[in-house]
Amino acid sequence: AQSVTQLDSHVSVSEGTPVLLRCNYSSSYSPSLFWYVQHPNKGLQLLLKYTSAATLVKGINGFEAEFKKSETSFHLTKPSAHMSDAAEYFCVVSDLNFNKFYFGSGTKLNVKP
Amino acid sequence: DSGVTQTPKHLITATGQRVTLRCSPRSGDLSVYWYQQSLDQGLQFLIHYYNGEERAKGNILERFSAQQFPDLHSELNLSSLELGDSALYFCASSVGGGVLETQYFGPGTRLLVL
Repeated sequence: AQSVTQLDSHVSVSEGTPVLLRCNYSSSYSPSLFWYVQHPNKGLQLLLKYTSAATLVKGINGFEAEFKKSETSFHLTKPSAHMSDAAEYFCVVSDLNFNKFYFGSGTKLNVKP
Repeated sequence: DSGVTQTPKHLITATGQRVTLRCSPRSGDLSVYWYQQSLDQGLQFLIHYYNGEERAKGNILERFSAQQFPDLHSELNLSSLELGDSALYFCASSVGGGVLETQYFGPGTRLLVL
């Protein structure tokens, strides 16, 4: 069975400080992992995806995530938050066998000036 | 703008009714995915079509059905609507049908069942 746990429902940071959004997954198979961002009243946009080619994945807008199999984690980070990063972020797991997607409950990122 | 269009943007209907949501994928994309986002259930994958054929099914209720037409647009049909079906319904499209394809999301259809 596949599942995703996003450990924080809300994260608040000051502009210019690092961002850490945590995600743990459970998968019976070799997982594919994704991070999506959803700005208010908008659809989702892919930030990055783990495809087993490299454990450190770089995405758009300065975000990156590291796949740690031993910790079953795929945390999203950014060195310096920008006001425009305020949004909701979703961690997603899938597997190559069943072509289905499982979403975490989301983390709302607030960026203070 | 992702290039994926969804109509209508908003829909208000009553319990027991049936509605159809429409999705037009980006030009050249063969896959369409449907998702439901509600306060209770969060984001859920419903179904995936690739080039007219069902590829994968998620948490889609039996009251819901979907299809993808020869011109690759897709429709999600929701019937015998209940209050709990009120949600934001997204479709996404991708070029291929694999899990690793980048999906491009539409703006969503907001359904309110009264």
